[in-house]
Amino acid sequence: QQQVKQSPQSLIVQKGGISIINCAYENTAFDYFPWYQQFPGKGPALLIAIRPDVSEKKEGRFTISFNKSAKQFSLHIMDSQPGDSATYFCAARVGGFKTIFGAGTRLFVKA
Amino acid sequence: NAGVTQTPKFQVLKTGQSMTLQCAQDMNHEYMSWYRQDPGMGLRLIHYSVGAGITDQGEVPNGYNVSRSTTEDFPLRLLSAAPSQTSVYFCASSTINTGELFFGEGSRLTVL
Repeated sequence: QQQVKQSPQSLIVQKGGISIINCAYENTAFDYFPWYQQFPGKGPALLIAIRPDVSEKKEGRFTISFNKSAKQFSLHIMDSQPGDSATYFCAARVGGFKTIFGAGTRLFVKA
Repeated sequence: NAGVTQTPKFQVLKTGQSMTLQCAQDMNHEYMSWYRQDPGMGLRLIHYSVGAGITDQGEVPNGYNVSRSTTEDFPLRLLSAAPSQTSVYFCASSTINTGELFFGEGSRLTVL
């Protein structure tokens, strides 16, 4: 049973389009919500993160939207590029260190 | 700095054999953890540690043992390997309360 539910499982987007990945959680003790990006054969790497007292965070083409009352958060990738093709994981942290991950979304950006 | 180093990168075991996956970090991180990655399941937390001598179970601890005798090292032991443990294993570390997990490159384990 996944504590952090992520959708969709896979996503195909045209170059220049917007990629949207959604996550939901139940545990209100989670205090930090990061997104990780993973390329084939590599370990995941932090992409962007948000704390629950903020509703939106933007870094370049990447934006996290956070809805505390709905216990949902999402990643938007604007102007998606072929180089963005990777697996994306949402995650949630509790207790200042223990991090639980979603099932992942495989993104493919068509040139 | 090397970051998080995992060895071996690849390993094939027979059912019932034992082995240890090694993880070392040189960033003086208090927190270290082990995940397994399986298709469609994401990254599932196996065991974690918040300092030398302190370990705890994650989401899927059965079949795995850990210990933390130093800040730098956090080995993962499989006492009697089973085919269900075929997976890619990742070690990750961080300072407490800063958030960012640093991952190793992974260890791909196949149990026949």
